[in-house]
Amino acid sequence: QQQVKQSPQSLIVQKGGISIINCAYENTAFDYFPWYQQFPGKGPALLIAIRPDVSEKKEGRFTISFNKSAKQFSLHIMDSQPGDSATYFCAASNSNTGKLIFGQGTTLQVKP
Amino acid sequence: GAGVSQSPRYKVAKRGQDVALRCDPISGHVSLFWYQQALGQGPEFLTYFQNEAQLDKSGLPSDRFFAERPEGSVSTLKIQRTQQEDSAVYLCASSLSGHSSSYEQYFGPGTRLTVT
Repeated sequence: QQQVKQSPQSLIVQKGGISIINCAYENTAFDYFPWYQQFPGKGPALLIAIRPDVSEKKEGRFTISFNKSAKQFSLHIMDSQPGDSATYFCAASNSNTGKLIFGQGTTLQVKP
Repeated sequence: GAGVSQSPRYKVAKRGQDVALRCDPISGHVSLFWYQQALGQGPEFLTYFQNEAQLDKSGLPSDRFFAERPEGSVSTLKIQRTQQEDSAVYLCASSLSGHSSSYEQYFGPGTRLTVT
C-alpha cells in the first residue's frame, strides 16, 4: 500500500515561532517529495520540494529535512507569520508514475 | 503566463445526472493529472495523461468516471450517473514533462461538485 502519513493534524503557533510538520512514507521507490500549501477555496500551491539525494533544502523561511533511512521528511517554517495560516500537505511520487500520493494534511494557525 | 484553469468552479448536480469538468493546463505542459479531494482530506490521484495518451487510470473509482484529452491540451473529466459520494473538489494539475527532470505539478483552483 502506497501511503504517506502526516502529523500533526492541526497546529497552533505564535507569530515568530517555528512550525514543524512531519511525514513518513513506506514505498522506497519514491524519489520526489514536495510540500504544498492550500488556502480555502484554492488549489494546492507548490511550496518546496526535495529529492532523496540531499538531506536538507532551504528556500527562504521554509526548510525540508529528509531522512532516507527512517523514511521520514519534515517541513520547518521559520518565523511563522499569520499569512502562513493554511493547510499543508506533504506528498511523494516516483519517476515511473509521476502521480502524487498525498498526506492527510495539517491545518496551521499562526496567532498574531 | 496563465496558470491551470478549471471550469466550472462550482457545479451542483442532481443524483443521476451526468457532469463534465474541464481543465486547461499551462501552455506547453505535456503531463496532466486529475485528483479528487474530499472535504478535509488530501487530494487522491484519479488519472494521468502524457499528451493525449492516458497512461494511468488506476485511481478512477468506477466505470462511471471517464477522462479524455483528445488533442493533448484541454482535458475533460466526465462523471456519469452522479452519486452523492462523488461530491468533492476535482483538481487538475499539469507538469512540463513526464520525465524525471521536471516533476513539479501545478494545480488549478478545482471544481467543487455537489451532488444532491
